[in-house]
Amino acid sequence: DAKTTQPTSMDCAEGRAANLPCNHSTISGNEYVYWYRQIHSQGPQYIIHGLKNNETNEMASLIITEDRKSSTLILPHATLRDTAVYYCFLGGNTGKLIFGQGTTLQVKP
Amino acid sequence: DTAVSQTPKYLVTQMGNDKSIKCEQNLGHDTMYWYKQDSKKFLKIMFSYNNKELIINETVPNRFSPKSPDKAHLNLHINSLELGDSAVYFCASSIAGVQADTQYFGPGTRLTVL
Repeated sequence: DAKTTQPTSMDCAEGRAANLPCNHSTISGNEYVYWYRQIHSQGPQYIIHGLKNNETNEMASLIITEDRKSSTLILPHATLRDTAVYYCFLGGNTGKLIFGQGTTLQVKP
Repeated sequence: DTAVSQTPKYLVTQMGNDKSIKCEQNLGHDTMYWYKQDSKKFLKIMFSYNNKELIINETVPNRFSPKSPDKAHLNLHINSLELGDSAVYFCASSIAGVQADTQYFGPGTRLTVL
């Protein structure tokens, strides 16, 4: 019952910005867009979330379109350690995270 | 200082045995969770406890029983282990309410049932 779609995989050159898209055309008014990532063999890691305004923290930026039907996670200067599976999903503050297949980001030297 | 810790990291056991996995968080959160990640890497929530009270209980066999002695601990006991229980189990914690979807995960426990 995933409500988001993401590309299966993406490549990015080290030092360049990684832009990961996510479509969520059926998002409802009170749902937040959340991003997590999972580096190989580690637990998932929270990155960022937003409702309708763009957000930035020490890890990434989140750009949400005005109609809220899609968003982009931006890692401004990707490093090899950013190679991971990135998950985008919608959260309603229930605590029940629904992970889809995510996007496998490969950062290359 | 590990925020969410799990023990053991690896667990190898025979079918039919009973085993427990322990989870502790030192973040002061009042909500804790158990997730299962299978061999295909799909991550699914199993249980959630808020202040020692069960609040999320997905369709999980009743061989799995979570126990929360206090809000900093959430253990997972599994009876009569089956081959299909082999997976990585992750514990997580969060603040309740509007922060519930901002969760902090432990390193995982890789369970192998032979």
